[in-house]
Amino acid sequence: AQKVTQAQTEISVVEKEDVTLDCVYETRDTTYYLFWYKQPPSGELVFLIRRNSFDEQNEISGRYSWNFQKSTSSFNFTITASQVVDSAVYFCALSDLNNNDMRFGAGTRLTVKP
Amino acid sequence: GAVVSQHPSRVICKSGTSVKIECRSLDFQATTMFWYRQFPKQSLMLMATSNEGSKATYEQGVEKDKFLINHASLTLSTLTVTSAHPEDSSFYICSARDPGGLYSEETQYFGPGTRLLVL
Repeated sequence: AQKVTQAQTEISVVEKEDVTLDCVYETRDTTYYLFWYKQPPSGELVFLIRRNSFDEQNEISGRYSWNFQKSTSSFNFTITASQVVDSAVYFCALSDLNNNDMRFGAGTRLTVKP
Repeated sequence: GAVVSQHPSRVICKSGTSVKIECRSLDFQATTMFWYRQFPKQSLMLMATSNEGSKATYEQGVEKDKFLINHASLTLSTLTVTSAHPEDSSFYICSARDPGGLYSEETQYFGPGTRLLVL
C-alpha cells in the first residue's frame, strides 16, 4: 500500500528563517515518483518538484531544496530564507511511474510571519 | 505548460439537487483523468480514476451511484454529484494525465478546483 506521512501539521517561522518540511513514505513499488505541491489559500495546487525513485540526487531551485533519502524513505523539503509569500499548505505525494494512484500526505501548514 | 481547467470554480446548490463539474485538458489529450476531494484543512483524497471510453474506477468507500463520472472525450471528464447533501460540500479537484511524447515524460496536471457548497 502507498502511504505518505507528513508529521508536522503546522509550522510557524519568522521571515528569513530556514524551515524544513518532513515527508516519509511507504510503498511496495521499487520504482515510483515523489512530489511536492504548494497550496495557497486560493486552493489551486502549485507543482514544485517531481523526483523519480531512480534519482537520489538532491536538488536545489532558488530558495528551495529537496533531500531524497531512499534508505530512510524520506523526501524532505527545505525553504531557505523564508518569505511571507511562502505561507501555504505544502503536500508531499507519491505515485507509481504511470502517474497513477497518487497518494497525498496530510499536508503541513506553513506560516511565515513578517 | 499544459493546462487543465475546471468549471465551475464555485457552486452553491440546494440539498437534493445534482451538480455537474467539468474537467478539461486544454492542450493535450488525456486518456486518464482523476478526481480528488478535499475537505477543509484536510488532504486530497483520490475518489476515482476516469478512463476515456470506459467506466471509472472508484476508490473504496466512494459511492459510484452518487458520484457519476463520465469521460466522454479525450479532453473532457465530468463529475456529477447526484442528490447533493450538505456533507458533500467540499473542494473537488481533477487532474489529467498527459501521456507525453518523444521528448517529454508522462505528467499529471491538476485543475484549479471547484468549491461546492450544499445548503
